[in-house]
Amino acid sequence: KAGVTQTPRYLIKTRGQQVTLSCSPISGHRSVSWYQQTPGQGLQFLFEYFSETQRNKGNFPGRFSGRQFSNSRSEMNVSTLELGDSALYLCASSFGGLAATDTQYFGPGTRLTVL
Amino acid sequence: AQSVTQLDSQVPVFEEAPVELRCNYSSSVSVYLFWYVQYPNQGLQLLLKYLSGSTLVKGINGFEAEFNKSQTSFHLRKPSVHISDTAEYFCAVSVGGSNYKLTFGKGTLLTVNP
Repeated sequence: KAGVTQTPRYLIKTRGQQVTLSCSPISGHRSVSWYQQTPGQGLQFLFEYFSETQRNKGNFPGRFSGRQFSNSRSEMNVSTLELGDSALYLCASSFGGLAATDTQYFGPGTRLTVL
Repeated sequence: AQSVTQLDSQVPVFEEAPVELRCNYSSSVSVYLFWYVQYPNQGLQLLLKYLSGSTLVKGINGFEAEFNKSQTSFHLRKPSVHISDTAEYFCAVSVGGSNYKLTFGKGTLLTVNP
């Protein structure tokens, strides 16, 4: 069974631009979560989608948004990029039934660099 | 709100030595606990998880962890490490209810030297 895939793997943008990252979950998984990983803040939860609805949200500004499609694929968008948005963005998928106990399967991440 | 503290940011050990990576959590409600491993340039992989039941949890690659409610700890152990265990290890906690998310510790870099 194919794992979680994320595209692109690497991205370079400049301040003020916007970016869209994509995540394809494991087949049959209906929940997709996004995390930001930086050396200073570690892994931080952005949001979680289940059946095309945002079910949970972390403490990030409104510049960070996401959506989920009917096939469970998800996209994350960051508008008006700032230098501090440089990070590894990880996507994770799970079955999504009992969210707190589900095993999350992570993709390899998208490395975003903002210049 | 829940939080996770990984007491050691780096742990160097020699090959075939035992290792313990420490994790303490804080939460006002019951928690579920996880250990993930991240190899260079890769995503996170689940090592083991504690949901309920036996407090000693066995995971992949010979790792195990013990849940201690009174000390709010979930330390990860391996009796004999290999070079290939060199990676960053993350402890994480989730709580039940509708506000679900994984809260991670800052990670412990395990370096296994020959």
